Amino acid sequence: QQQVKQSPQSLIVQKGGISIINCAYENTAFDYFPWYQQFPGKGPALLIAIRPDVSEKKEGRFTISFNKSAKQFSLHIMDSQPGDSATYFCAASFSGNTPLVFGKGTRLSVIA
Amino acid sequence: DTGVSQNPRHKITKRGQNVTFRCDPISEHNRLYWYRQTLGQGPEFLTYFQNEAQLEKSRLLSDRFSAERPKGSFSTLEIQRTEQGDSAMYLCASSATSAFSYEQYFGPGTRLTVT
Repeated sequence: QQQVKQSPQSLIVQKGGISIINCAYENTAFDYFPWYQQFPGKGPALLIAIRPDVSEKKEGRFTISFNKSAKQFSLHIMDSQPGDSATYFCAASFSGNTPLVFGKGTRLSVIA
Repeated sequence: DTGVSQNPRHKITKRGQNVTFRCDPISEHNRLYWYRQTLGQGPEFLTYFQNEAQLEKSRLLSDRFSAERPKGSFSTLEIQRTEQGDSAMYLCASSATSAFSYEQYFGPGTRLTVT
């Protein structure tokens, strides 16, 4: 049972372009939705997170858009750079500070 | 360095041997989580603690796996009679229990290879 579905599996974006990764969840009890960035051989690093009481959150070049009725949320990376090339994971949890359920990841390649 | 640390970073063992991994969380964090990540997949939850109490274990955690956090600080994850299917990255994360802060911070992981 895949509680958090992530797409696309891989993404190639030109330098300076916008990278968009989407996630859909099934359980309406989820109320915390973080995005993590992972480089090969490293642990996941928290990028940005959102609660369902807001529809958008922006931190620097990273924006989360959240659609509660559609049970979807997405990560937008503006002005994508080669250094952004990594695997990105969406996740969800219940009432915070509980185990995260992760999507399967999106491998992003930003080419010059 | 005040982040989550894990040791060893890499472990190669033969099938049937026991292995133990250690996680040191961020010092003020009272919740500690173990996840397992296989190649090309997202991390999967194994178990977690609040202080020294183990709150939940996943169905993924077979009887060969045991975790403890004896003094509410560092934690160990032991795998007995390792199998080739245990080969994976074992990740530890920690968080503070707060109504305003839900962030989980991950360590660098321990990569286990069972030959």
